[in-house]
Amino acid sequence: GNSVTQMEGPVTLSEEAFLTINCTYTATGYPSLFWYVQYPGEGLQLLLKATKADDKGSNKGFEATYRKETTSFHLEKGSVQVSDSAVYFCALSEAFSGGYNKLIFGAGTRLAVHP
Amino acid sequence: GAGVSQTPSNKVTEKGKYVELRCDPISGHTALYWYRQSLGQGPEFLIYFQGTGAADDSGLPNDRFFAVRPEGSVSTLKIQRTERGDSAVYLCASSPSGSGPGELFFGEGSRLTVL
Repeated sequence: GNSVTQMEGPVTLSEEAFLTINCTYTATGYPSLFWYVQYPGEGLQLLLKATKADDKGSNKGFEATYRKETTSFHLEKGSVQVSDSAVYFCALSEAFSGGYNKLIFGAGTRLAVHP
Repeated sequence: GAGVSQTPSNKVTEKGKYVELRCDPISGHTALYWYRQSLGQGPEFLIYFQGTGAADDSGLPNDRFFAVRPEGSVSTLKIQRTERGDSAVYLCASSPSGSGPGELFFGEGSRLTVL
């Protein structure tokens, strides 16, 4: 079945460091790919998405490129801030029809950024 | 505006008891999802409602789990004869009609602990 694998955390960085969180997926067909973020005390929220191969999703300085050849969707940010400390989830859309989003999530990667 | 509201935020119960978890989606959102997040794991799909009907309940683990959405708004997840393995955070998400891939709005979750 479809699945998502992401690097284990926690990832601990100093402010202004470069961030990469790896994500690979297994899927039949061509799913859409997503990164969700969960800040402390809040619900998951969509950070960025890419709906087809070679698309780049970006938001709040974060980027991820849909790589079909390597089945990957790695999350990157050039300079992290303390406020980026959160848990990041990679996900794929197993089905999307008429507004139905059936998402498969990875296990999550906790990021801690220190001043 | 109000986001997705889930109650209770925490529930501690004893093995064998019955539990109800409530989700109040964003007003006007027609789609509603329940996910379950066990410790150290990503959210796992349980059930999807479009309006009042359960359009996909393939993620419910067994017949002890049941969910309703009688008026197409508030939803209740019901768990009978709870087991220790049911301990998890239960997440609710909603989305409006015509939403794009991945555009789910999550609540903060209900943490269920079965002793």
